[in-house]
Amino acid sequence: AQSVSQHNHHVILSEAASLELGCNYSYGGTVNLFWYVQYPGQHLQLLLKYFSGDPLVKGIKGFEAEFIKSKFSFNLRKPSVQWSDTAEYFCAVNAMTTDSWGKLQFGAGTQVVVTP
Amino acid sequence: DVKVTQSSRYLVKRTGEKVFLECVQDMDHENMFWYRQDPGLGLRLIYFSYDVKMKEKGDIPEGYSVSREKKERFSLILESASTNQTSMYLCASMKGRETQYFGPGTRLLVL
Repeated sequence: AQSVSQHNHHVILSEAASLELGCNYSYGGTVNLFWYVQYPGQHLQLLLKYFSGDPLVKGIKGFEAEFIKSKFSFNLRKPSVQWSDTAEYFCAVNAMTTDSWGKLQFGAGTQVVVTP
Repeated sequence: DVKVTQSSRYLVKRTGEKVFLECVQDMDHENMFWYRQDPGLGLRLIYFSYDVKMKEKGDIPEGYSVSREKKERFSLILESASTNQTSMYLCASMKGRETQYFGPGTRLLVL
Protein backbone atom coordinates (compact mmCIF):
# COMPACT_ATOMS: atom_id res chain seq x y z
CA ALA A 1 0.00 0.00 0.00
CA GLN A 2 1.13 3.53 -0.70
CA SER A 3 2.14 5.74 2.16
CA VAL A 4 2.76 9.43 2.65
CA SER A 5 5.17 10.68 5.26
CA GLN A 6 5.35 14.20 6.63
CA HIS A 7 8.58 14.79 8.44
CA ASN A 8 7.43 17.12 11.18
CA HIS A 9 4.33 16.90 13.32
CA HIS A 10 4.73 20.31 14.92
CA VAL A 11 6.64 23.37 13.79
CA ILE A 12 6.90 26.63 15.72
CA LEU A 13 8.49 29.64 14.10
CA SER A 14 8.47 33.42 14.25
CA GLU A 15 6.91 35.78 11.76
CA ALA A 16 9.15 36.47 8.76
CA ALA A 17 10.97 33.16 9.17
CA SER A 18 11.13 30.77 6.26
CA LEU A 19 9.08 27.60 6.28
CA GLU A 20 9.79 24.25 4.68
CA LEU A 21 7.61 21.20 5.26
CA GLY A 22 8.77 17.84 4.01
CA CYS A 23 6.61 15.24 2.29
CA ASN A 24 7.68 11.87 0.93
CA TYR A 25 5.56 9.17 -0.67
CA SER A 26 6.16 5.55 -1.49
CA TYR A 27 4.49 4.95 -4.87
CA GLY A 28 6.92 4.52 -7.75
CA GLY A 29 4.59 5.33 -10.65
CA THR A 30 2.85 8.46 -11.85
CA VAL A 31 1.33 10.58 -9.11
CA ASN A 32 -0.74 13.70 -8.63
CA LEU A 33 0.43 15.65 -5.59
CA PHE A 34 -1.37 18.10 -3.34
CA TRP A 35 -0.88 20.29 -0.33
CA TYR A 36 -3.97 21.17 1.64
CA VAL A 37 -4.25 23.59 4.54
CA GLN A 38 -6.71 23.70 7.42
CA TYR A 39 -6.87 27.02 9.28
CA PRO A 40 -8.29 26.93 12.82
CA GLY A 41 -12.03 26.34 12.66
CA GLN A 42 -12.10 26.24 8.88
CA HIS A 43 -12.47 23.52 6.30
CA LEU A 44 -9.65 21.89 4.40
CA GLN A 45 -8.67 23.90 1.36
CA LEU A 46 -6.24 23.42 -1.50
CA LEU A 47 -2.92 25.28 -1.31
CA LEU A 48 -1.39 23.93 -4.50
CA LYS A 49 -1.19 20.87 -6.69
CA TYR A 50 1.11 19.17 -9.14
CA PHE A 51 -0.12 17.04 -12.02
CA SER A 52 2.63 17.40 -14.63
CA GLY A 53 5.03 19.91 -16.19
CA ASP A 54 7.20 22.33 -14.23
CA PRO A 55 8.10 20.57 -10.98
CA LEU A 56 8.11 23.89 -9.13
CA VAL A 57 4.52 24.85 -8.52
CA LYS A 58 3.16 28.02 -7.00
CA GLY A 59 0.05 28.12 -4.91
CA ILE A 60 -2.00 30.60 -2.98
CA LYS A 61 -0.73 32.93 -0.27
CA GLY A 62 2.90 32.82 -1.43
CA PHE A 63 3.39 29.08 -1.01
CA GLU A 64 5.30 26.94 -3.46
CA ALA A 65 6.30 23.29 -3.67
CA GLU A 66 8.90 21.35 -5.56
CA PHE A 67 8.37 17.86 -6.92
CA ILE A 68 11.58 15.83 -6.99
CA LYS A 69 10.72 12.55 -8.65
CA SER A 70 14.02 10.85 -7.83
CA LYS A 71 13.48 11.53 -4.14
CA PHE A 72 9.73 10.82 -4.12
CA SER A 73 9.32 14.18 -2.44
CA PHE A 74 7.00 17.16 -2.66
CA ASN A 75 8.20 19.71 -0.13
CA LEU A 76 6.26 22.86 0.67
CA ARG A 77 7.98 26.21 1.15
CA LYS A 78 7.24 29.79 2.02
CA PRO A 79 10.03 32.36 2.23
CA SER A 80 8.48 34.54 4.92
CA VAL A 81 5.59 33.36 7.08
CA GLN A 82 2.91 35.47 8.71
CA TRP A 83 0.90 34.90 11.86
CA SER A 84 -2.07 34.06 9.63
CA ASP A 85 -0.19 31.01 8.30
CA THR A 86 -0.84 29.26 11.60
CA ALA A 87 -2.65 26.13 10.47
CA GLU A 88 -2.36 22.41 9.90
CA TYR A 89 -0.83 21.39 6.58
CA PHE A 90 -1.48 18.09 4.84
CA CYS A 91 0.37 16.50 1.98
CA ALA A 92 -1.71 14.17 -0.20
CA VAL A 93 -0.90 11.83 -3.05
CA ASN A 94 -3.07 10.28 -5.74
CA ALA A 95 -1.34 7.27 -7.24
CA MET A 96 -2.46 7.17 -10.85
CA THR A 97 -3.33 3.50 -11.07
CA THR A 98 -6.27 2.17 -13.05
CA ASP A 99 -8.25 1.43 -9.92
CA SER A 100 -7.28 4.40 -7.77
CA TRP A 101 -10.39 6.43 -8.72
CA GLY A 102 -8.66 9.61 -7.65
CA LYS A 103 -8.35 8.40 -4.07
CA LEU A 104 -6.00 10.46 -1.96
CA GLN A 105 -3.52 9.12 0.55
CA PHE A 106 -2.86 11.77 3.19
CA GLY A 107 0.10 12.37 5.42
CA ALA A 108 -0.43 12.74 9.16
CA GLY A 109 -0.30 16.51 8.95
CA THR A 110 2.03 19.19 10.30
CA GLN A 111 0.75 21.69 12.82
CA VAL A 112 2.45 25.03 12.16
CA VAL A 113 2.35 27.78 14.75
CA VAL A 114 3.66 31.21 13.81
CA THR A 115 4.41 33.50 16.74
CA PRO A 116 4.24 37.28 16.41
CA ASP B 1 -16.92 27.99 -6.63
CA VAL B 2 -17.49 24.42 -5.60
CA LYS B 3 -19.63 24.13 -2.54
CA VAL B 4 -19.70 21.02 -0.37
CA THR B 5 -22.02 21.16 2.59
CA GLN B 6 -22.45 18.79 5.49
CA SER B 7 -25.64 18.49 7.46
CA SER B 8 -24.21 19.14 10.92
CA ARG B 9 -21.08 20.79 12.31
CA TYR B 10 -21.40 19.09 15.69
CA LEU B 11 -23.20 15.93 16.68
CA VAL B 12 -23.50 14.08 19.99
CA LYS B 13 -24.81 10.52 19.96
CA ARG B 14 -25.00 7.61 22.33
CA THR B 15 -23.34 4.24 21.90
CA GLY B 16 -25.50 1.94 19.79
CA GLU B 17 -27.42 4.70 18.02
CA LYS B 18 -27.70 4.76 14.25
CA VAL B 19 -26.09 7.90 12.90
CA PHE B 20 -26.55 9.55 9.50
CA LEU B 21 -24.09 12.11 8.17
CA GLU B 22 -25.19 13.89 5.02
CA CYS B 23 -23.09 15.57 2.38
CA VAL B 24 -24.28 17.59 -0.59
CA GLN B 25 -22.26 19.09 -3.44
CA ASP B 26 -23.54 21.55 -6.01
CA MET B 27 -21.08 21.04 -8.89
CA ASP B 28 -22.35 17.86 -10.53
CA HIS B 29 -19.20 15.98 -9.52
CA GLU B 30 -19.34 12.26 -10.10
CA ASN B 31 -16.91 11.32 -7.33
CA MET B 32 -17.59 11.75 -3.63
CA PHE B 33 -15.61 10.67 -0.59
CA TRP B 34 -15.94 10.25 3.16
CA TYR B 35 -12.90 10.60 5.41
CA ARG B 36 -12.33 10.67 9.11
CA GLN B 37 -9.71 12.98 10.56
CA ASP B 38 -7.94 12.11 13.79
CA PRO B 39 -4.99 13.91 15.42
CA GLY B 40 -1.68 12.46 14.33
CA LEU B 41 -3.30 10.21 11.73
CA GLY B 42 -4.27 12.70 9.06
CA LEU B 43 -7.29 11.87 6.93
CA ARG B 44 -8.25 8.27 6.31
CA LEU B 45 -10.65 7.23 3.59
CA ILE B 46 -13.76 5.40 4.75
CA TYR B 47 -15.77 5.01 1.54
CA PHE B 48 -16.04 6.65 -1.81
CA SER B 49 -18.51 6.68 -4.67
CA TYR B 50 -17.79 7.21 -8.36
CA ASP B 51 -21.40 7.28 -9.51
CA VAL B 52 -24.96 7.10 -8.27
CA LYS B 53 -25.57 3.83 -6.41
CA MET B 54 -21.90 2.90 -6.82
CA LYS B 55 -19.58 2.65 -3.83
CA GLU B 56 -16.17 1.34 -2.98
CA LYS B 57 -14.54 0.65 0.36
CA GLY B 58 -11.69 2.84 1.43
CA ASP B 59 -9.01 2.06 3.97
CA ILE B 60 -11.19 1.89 7.09
CA PRO B 61 -14.76 0.87 6.14
CA GLU B 62 -15.51 -1.30 9.18
CA GLY B 63 -18.50 -0.07 11.14
CA TYR B 64 -19.66 2.24 8.36
CA SER B 65 -21.88 2.09 5.32
CA VAL B 66 -22.81 4.63 2.68
CA SER B 67 -25.65 5.54 0.40
CA ARG B 68 -25.70 7.49 -2.84
CA GLU B 69 -29.18 7.68 -4.30
CA LYS B 70 -28.66 11.02 -6.06
CA LYS B 71 -25.56 12.40 -7.69
CA GLU B 72 -25.31 15.42 -5.41
CA ARG B 73 -25.80 13.60 -2.11
CA PHE B 74 -23.56 11.08 -0.34
CA SER B 75 -24.51 9.78 3.09
CA LEU B 76 -22.35 8.09 5.68
CA ILE B 77 -24.11 5.73 8.08
CA LEU B 78 -22.87 4.45 11.39
CA GLU B 79 -25.12 1.43 11.94
CA SER B 80 -24.38 1.22 15.67
CA ALA B 81 -22.20 4.03 16.89
CA SER B 82 -19.29 3.21 19.16
CA THR B 83 -17.00 5.43 21.19
CA ASN B 84 -14.06 4.72 18.87
CA GLN B 85 -16.03 6.42 16.09
CA THR B 86 -15.73 9.75 17.87
CA SER B 87 -13.94 11.81 15.26
CA MET B 88 -14.13 14.59 12.69
CA TYR B 89 -15.81 13.41 9.49
CA LEU B 90 -15.02 15.14 6.21
CA CYS B 91 -16.83 14.81 2.93
CA ALA B 92 -15.22 15.68 -0.39
CA SER B 93 -16.25 15.77 -4.03
CA MET B 94 -14.23 15.68 -7.21
CA LYS B 95 -14.71 15.89 -10.94
CA GLY B 96 -12.81 13.16 -12.79
CA ARG B 97 -9.43 12.67 -11.16
CA GLU B 98 -8.69 16.31 -10.51
CA THR B 99 -8.95 18.16 -7.22
CA GLN B 100 -10.98 17.13 -4.20
CA TYR B 101 -13.06 19.85 -2.56
CA PHE B 102 -13.91 19.42 1.08
CA GLY B 103 -16.88 20.27 3.22
CA PRO B 104 -16.59 21.94 6.64
CA GLY B 105 -16.65 18.67 8.54
CA THR B 106 -18.88 17.13 11.20
CA ARG B 107 -17.40 16.67 14.64
CA LEU B 108 -19.06 13.59 16.10
CA LEU B 109 -18.92 12.68 19.76
CA VAL B 110 -20.18 9.23 20.75
CA LEU B 111 -20.86 8.85 24.46
